[in-house]
Amino acid sequence: EAQVTQNPRYLITVTGKKLTVTCSQNMNHEYMSWYRQDPGLGLRQIYYSMNVEVTDKGDVPEGYKVSRKEKRNFPLILESPSPNQTSLYFCASSFRGRTVSGANVLTFGAGSRLTVL
Amino acid sequence: AQSVTQLDSQVPVFEEAPVELRCNYSSSVSVYLFWYVQYPNQGLQLLLKYLSGSTLVKGINGFEAEFNKSQTSFHLRKPSVHISDTAEYFCAVSLQGAQKLVFGQGTRLTINP
Repeated sequence: EAQVTQNPRYLITVTGKKLTVTCSQNMNHEYMSWYRQDPGLGLRQIYYSMNVEVTDKGDVPEGYKVSRKEKRNFPLILESPSPNQTSLYFCASSFRGRTVSGANVLTFGAGSRLTVL
Repeated sequence: AQSVTQLDSQVPVFEEAPVELRCNYSSSVSVYLFWYVQYPNQGLQLLLKYLSGSTLVKGINGFEAEFNKSQTSFHLRKPSVHISDTAEYFCAVSLQGAQKLVFGQGTRLTINP
């Protein structure tokens, strides 16, 4: 089944304790992205990657790192989490460039709910 | 830069009633438009998308949306809702040929029996 898999789905941690949220896709997608969802703000892009070893900042990158060493994986790293990073995180992926339909629809993972105390 | 405004944060309706969820966008260039649905404790699922052509777009689960370029709107409609439509709905926009989606704030649709 074509999917984006995130782990962990739920995590409670404490301020300053480094954590990594993994994201893996099995669709051979070039493009991958991380979003955070907060009430009243919708989803905001954190980082994205156009291909292996190519990453760039989104709209809210502060406090996050990413890496793209393999095409299928795009982990999100919080080096020193703070309470304002308590949020619901989504990983998404798609093909790059134009498809027959003219657009590439993002496939989302199920989300990772993070609480930082 | 593009932006999306969903005009209602919450919409309560009775079962079998019609519903419209409003979405306005701003962009100086041509865009693609999307509606996603998020059921409780789940990820986002694509409802429908507008790329070009007919301004009336039909999606899954009986939803449809109409692209209005002059009013920069992309409102989502369903003629008769069901309890199972209870979810949060997100309108999103992307530049043509780009992957990044810019989302609205979301509209929580609650269906009352």
